[in-house]
Amino acid sequence: QLQLQESGPGLVKPSGTLSLTCTVSGGSISSSSYYWGWIRQPPGKGLEWIGTTYYSGSTYYNPSLKSRVTISVDTSKDQFSLKLSSVTAADTAVYYCAGDGRGYGSGSDYWGQGTLVTVSS
Amino acid sequence: QSVLTQPPSVSGAPGQRVTISCTGSSSNIGTGYDVHWYQQLPGIPPQLLIYGNTNRPSGVPDRFSGSKSGTSASLAITGLQAEDEADYYCQSYDSSLSAVIFGGGTKLTVL
Repeated sequence: QLQLQESGPGLVKPSGTLSLTCTVSGGSISSSSYYWGWIRQPPGKGLEWIGTTYYSGSTYYNPSLKSRVTISVDTSKDQFSLKLSSVTAADTAVYYCAGDGRGYGSGSDYWGQGTLVTVSS
Repeated sequence: QSVLTQPPSVSGAPGQRVTISCTGSSSNIGTGYDVHWYQQLPGIPPQLLIYGNTNRPSGVPDRFSGSKSGTSASLAITGLQAEDEADYYCQSYDSSLSAVIFGGGTKLTVL
């Protein structure tokens, strides 16, 4: 059973860069079946897709965030990471990492517990 | 405003059947992209309920079912139980946006 766990700072200053890492256990991030993504949820609001990556390094980003987002994968550590630059209070949210087991955009079977990131000075 | 439109709330009594709609357009559901559904209980991550319009992952009760027609999709829950009280989200892909998209979410209240 795959398990995902987010890690990173819970507080980021405005105009700074949010950096999170998702560690995959119980399986390999290099599995050909899986695509790995980041989704966020502002407090009391709905879900927003940030982007998705594959172990080969292919990436797909939400156009509304594309200019500020970088998602990368480290197969040696079974980790993938999110960087979001020039953050504002609007980026305050619970950030989830997730795994799609049947291809890109096929529905996320596995989710991390989520980590709250607050943007504040 | 979400590209996929869901009713903000629905309600039903225990044992009843409820449906949650997810309305899209010709650039997403109407083009043939699959719809997936999630259940999110308070304080925990979303759980995949339905994938590929109609398929249930292992462990999801058959009280939950999905359908799709034209530019819309629906999630049906039969034999409503108190534990079904949660937020429900639909998800698809939009070719005009080149993006994975979510509905705004529907809060289900079990009366």
